[in-house]
Amino acid sequence: NAGVTQTPKFQVLKTGQSMTLQCAQDMNHEYMSWYRQDPGMGLRLIHYSVGAGITDQGEVPNGYNVSRSTTEDFPLRLLSAAPSQTSVYFCASSYSGGTTEAFFGQGTRLTVV
Amino acid sequence: GENVEQHPSTLSVQEGDSAVIKCTYSDSASNYFPWYKQELGKRPQLIIDIRSNVGEKKDQRIAVTLNKTAKHFSLHITETQPEDSAVYFCAADGSGAGSYQLTFGKGTKLSVIP
Repeated sequence: NAGVTQTPKFQVLKTGQSMTLQCAQDMNHEYMSWYRQDPGMGLRLIHYSVGAGITDQGEVPNGYNVSRSTTEDFPLRLLSAAPSQTSVYFCASSYSGGTTEAFFGQGTRLTVV
Repeated sequence: GENVEQHPSTLSVQEGDSAVIKCTYSDSASNYFPWYKQELGKRPQLIIDIRSNVGEKKDQRIAVTLNKTAKHFSLHITETQPEDSAVYFCAADGSGAGSYQLTFGKGTKLSVIP
């Protein structure tokens, strides 16, 4: 049982490039989410999904795109990377949205130069 | 939406002393209040949580208290040990559509001095 798996662990992008951060969970959780973590800012919600085919915006959605075609996978796309998107990104899944334990992936440290 | 304030941002204690971290929230309809611990370079992990129908919950050296009237909750760590050094985050769920979301505080960096 791997839990929540994120890839890659580290990534350096040039301004304007696009990329996809991968997230997969094997706990059959309906709810998945993406957070970014910046120093002194805590964890801020980017996008979330309550099930396959359903996504919604969180607190800081601009510049990011998501889709949920299967229960297991929830990729995060950076459309045109900017230095302001330099951050650590965490994917999480839970059984029932914000009312049960969130299981986090190991994180992706992204640097945009 | 929900707003969660967390204090202090940094906390240093001597090994064996107690540590207290406090959070306030804005949405009176919030019902779920988890605490996460994040060690350096690692992912956040749940250490304890409390729901609105309970005033206090304990798990060995860790306890959480909730005051719904005042809209604040606190994490108490007794007999601190060096391995308690980490960043701690409080969080709260929202109401309505926000019930699918956890809003996190900005974190408290706890340092336990041997």
